Amino acid sequence: QSALTQPASVSGSPGQSITISCTGTSMDVGGYDSVSWYQHHPGKAPKLMIYDVTKRPSGVSNRFSGSKSANTASLTISGLQAEDEADYYCNSIASGSTYVFGTGTKVTVV
Amino acid sequence: QVQLVQSGAEVKMPAASMTVSCKASGYTFTSYYIHWVRQAPGQGLEWMGIITPGGSTTKYTQKFQGRVTMTRDTSTSTVYMELSSLTSEDTAVYYCAREPPRRKYFDYWGQGTLVTVSS
Repeated sequence: QSALTQPASVSGSPGQSITISCTGTSMDVGGYDSVSWYQHHPGKAPKLMIYDVTKRPSGVSNRFSGSKSANTASLTISGLQAEDEADYYCNSIASGSTYVFGTGTKVTVV
Repeated sequence: QVQLVQSGAEVKMPAASMTVSCKASGYTFTSYYIHWVRQAPGQGLEWMGIITPGGSTTKYTQKFQGRVTMTRDTSTSTVYMELSSLTSEDTAVYYCAREPPRRKYFDYWGQGTLVTVSS
């Protein structure tokens, strides 16, 4: 099972919107509505930001939103803030009841 | 409140085995799945496998088949992950994470355990 493909880095200015893509195959992202996204600050535990492609857990800012088209899922952060600077990972269930993470994207607020 | 508390950092010799524990509290232990995820230095998150504490069913990613064993002790609400035949490539932070049954996402994570494999 290969990792899902994400851009290595994305940057934006405070207040801007950015989008992180997560590309897989029909055997993972495209085959299930089970994509989730995690925010990971170095040295801390990852935090769930989006699940079931578009849903936000309680307590997560509505500046974070998710979507999916075919084999590519996306995470959009609107109104970018300094605290959003972190690594972001997508995850999907895959065939054989396994799970696969994306390669990770470093978000920088410039 | 839900907590997953992992065991402390370890240093292991090559070819040795390691065991990391993950003690759950604040919820019904047998009602949720536990996954193990690792992050090697400078690398991304990597899914290792899952155990269902209720029925003790396990599923491991092919990369670790034959080297990883996940077990649970319901009397102490603790899940264990053992990895054998360690090499320097197993140096990583290991996380346990909880999945609400059949929901396909990880809602709570342990604090991480750094395992260093070095001679």
